[in-house]
Amino acid sequence: DSGVTQTPKHLITATGQRVTLRCSPRSGDLSVYWYQQSLDQGLQFLIQYYNGEERAKGNILERFSAQQFPDLHSELNLSSLELGDSALYFCASSPRTSAPPDTQYFGPGTRLTVL
Amino acid sequence: DAKTTQPTSMDCAEGRAANLPCNHSTISGNEYVYWYRQIHSQGPQYIIHGLKNNETNEMASLIITEDRKSSTLILPHATLRDTAVYYCIVRPGDMRFGAGTRLTVKP
Repeated sequence: DSGVTQTPKHLITATGQRVTLRCSPRSGDLSVYWYQQSLDQGLQFLIQYYNGEERAKGNILERFSAQQFPDLHSELNLSSLELGDSALYFCASSPRTSAPPDTQYFGPGTRLTVL
Repeated sequence: DAKTTQPTSMDCAEGRAANLPCNHSTISGNEYVYWYRQIHSQGPQYIIHGLKNNETNEMASLIITEDRKSSTLILPHATLRDTAVYYCIVRPGDMRFGAGTRLTVKP
């Protein structure tokens, strides 16, 4: 158990809908990262937050947004969902920012299925 | 940003050492080598990291060449539960994970 929690574990929805994925980092960790992993694909970095502020951005679509709240939990919002958004979404946390390098601890993921 | 290359797949016999190579020829002086693994569809798990010295922990050993252009992750006594995709990445820098090496430990 990494100490990172994600809810829900599974989510099934329809195209065009909007969903919110939630992540609670390890106690004391200030950085939160979101990754997307489609079937048999590598982990695609979406976005990083550090202490409530956006720190780094990857291949995140405009239909996706995220935020980190004062209690440090984070939410990833996915809107106008398409079939291709079906994937595993992982959240990771680390104590600081990316410099000096921080060890990331990953949650169990949320499996999103768009029908 | 440094990029890593790893073999697509490897097999290892149970109980033997698994040696997973990684090339990172463009690594810069302040970049660390990190290894993670992902078992089936679980969240990736941190294994070990290093800058230039060899490192060992309860899970594995990391051997980094003197020029830092490559490294090897060693699982000393592989078990069936070590079957996973192993990712070699460099940090700070690219936040991506590549395709990794799919290690299959066979009985």
